[in-house]
Amino acid sequence: AQSVTQPDIHITVSEGASLELRCNYSYGATPYLFWYVQSPGQGLQLLLKYFSGDTLVQGIKGFEAEFKRSQSSFNLRKPSVHWSDAAEYFCAVGPSNTGKLIFGQGTTLQVKP
Amino acid sequence: DGGITQSPKYLFRKEGQNVTLSCEQNLNHDAMYWYRQDPGQGLRLIYYSQIVNDFQKGDIAEGYSVSREKKESFPLTVTSAQKNPTAFYLCASSIGRGVVNTEAFFGQGTRLTVV
Repeated sequence: AQSVTQPDIHITVSEGASLELRCNYSYGATPYLFWYVQSPGQGLQLLLKYFSGDTLVQGIKGFEAEFKRSQSSFNLRKPSVHWSDAAEYFCAVGPSNTGKLIFGQGTTLQVKP
Repeated sequence: DGGITQSPKYLFRKEGQNVTLSCEQNLNHDAMYWYRQDPGQGLRLIYYSQIVNDFQKGDIAEGYSVSREKKESFPLTVTSAQKNPTAFYLCASSIGRGVVNTEAFFGQGTRLTVV
C-alpha cells in the first residue's frame, strides 16, 4: 500500500534551536517527494521537492531535506528555527507529473520564545 | 498575479442541502484537484481532472460531484449524500500534459461547516 507516515504529530522547539521533522513513505514506483507548510486557515505552500539527483535538497525559508532511499525517508531540517516557522508541515509523495499526492498526517510545529 | 482562487472562504450549510465550492485558476494548468483536510488526517484526494470535460474519482469521492467545463474552473459540489461534510477543502492545480518534475499549487481553501 502507498502511504506516508509522519511519526510526530506535534513538536515544540525553542527559537534558535535546530529542527528535524521525520517522514517515511511507502510507494511502489519511483518516489517524488514534497514538503508543504500550512499556516492556520491557509492553503499549502511548497517548501521543497525531490525528483532526482542530489539527495540533499534546499528549499525556501532556510529548510532542507535529505532523501534516503534505503530508509524510505525524506526528513526535513532547519538549523535555526524562527518564531514565524510555527505552522503545520506535510510530507507528500506522488508521481512526477501530476498533483495526485499521498499526504502524511502532518506535524504541528510550535516554537517557544 | 497568477494563482488559484477558492471561494467562499467560509461556507455554512444546513443538513440535506447541496453546496458548491468554487475553484478558479489562471496558471494555464491543465490538471486540477480537490482535496479534503480533516484534523490529524492530512489531505485526501476527492476528485481530479487532467483535461477539460474529463475527471476521475479520487480516494474519497462518495457524496461529491465535480464538473470541468472550462480549463480555468473546477467546481466541487458537496451533496446531501456526503455523511460528514464539515471539513477544510483545498483545490490545487498542476501543469499536467504529462510534463514531469512539476508540483501542485494550492488555493487558500474553503472551510465548510454543516449546521
